[in-house]
Amino acid sequence: DAGVIQSPRHEVTEMGQEVTLRCKPISGHNSLFWYRQTMMRGLELLIYFNNNVPIDDSGMPEDRFSAKMPNASFSTLKIQPSEPRDSAVYFCASSSLSTSSYEQYFGPGTRLTVT
Amino acid sequence: AQSVTQLDSQVPVFEEAPVELRCNYSSSVSVYLFWYVQYPNQGLQLLLKYLSGSTLVKGINGFEAEFNKSQTSFHLRKPSVHISDTAEYFCAVSSSYNTDKLIFGTGTRLQVFP
Repeated sequence: DAGVIQSPRHEVTEMGQEVTLRCKPISGHNSLFWYRQTMMRGLELLIYFNNNVPIDDSGMPEDRFSAKMPNASFSTLKIQPSEPRDSAVYFCASSSLSTSSYEQYFGPGTRLTVT
Repeated sequence: AQSVTQLDSQVPVFEEAPVELRCNYSSSVSVYLFWYVQYPNQGLQLLLKYLSGSTLVKGINGFEAEFNKSQTSFHLRKPSVHISDTAEYFCAVSSSYNTDKLIFGTGTRLQVFP
């Protein structure tokens, strides 16, 4: 299996621009998580989905952030408009509810820089 | 709600020496505990986990951890480290009722010197 795939791996954009991060979970996994990692705040859960349905978005910083999962093999995290404080590494992770292993498999991350 | 405290932000150690990375948690309900490792420019990878049963759990790369309920701790140990163990290590907790929501500690940077 290819693992969790994220694109792009690096994104540099100017303040005010729209940014879209993409994630393809491991085939067969039915839970998907979006995390943000910064030096100041560490690793934070932003939102997670079970069977394509958003379950908990309490970690989403503000209305500028939105996430969708239109099908089992694709999810997006969108920031509009972006701000310099959004600069971070964004990770997508997936897991399988059916195996009860509770292990989350992380993608390589997208490093976002907003200037 | 659960919380995790990793007491050491950095742990320097020489190659082949033993190491312990400390983790304490807080929770009003029963928990599952995890250690993840992050190598430079990579995502996190599961090292080991405690769900139930034996309090001493063994993971990949020679690491082990012991769940201590009375001290609310889940310290990670390795008897002899290698240069390749240099990485960031994260302790995480979830309640046994909501296993989806992992709460991560702030991480411990293990630096192994030759």
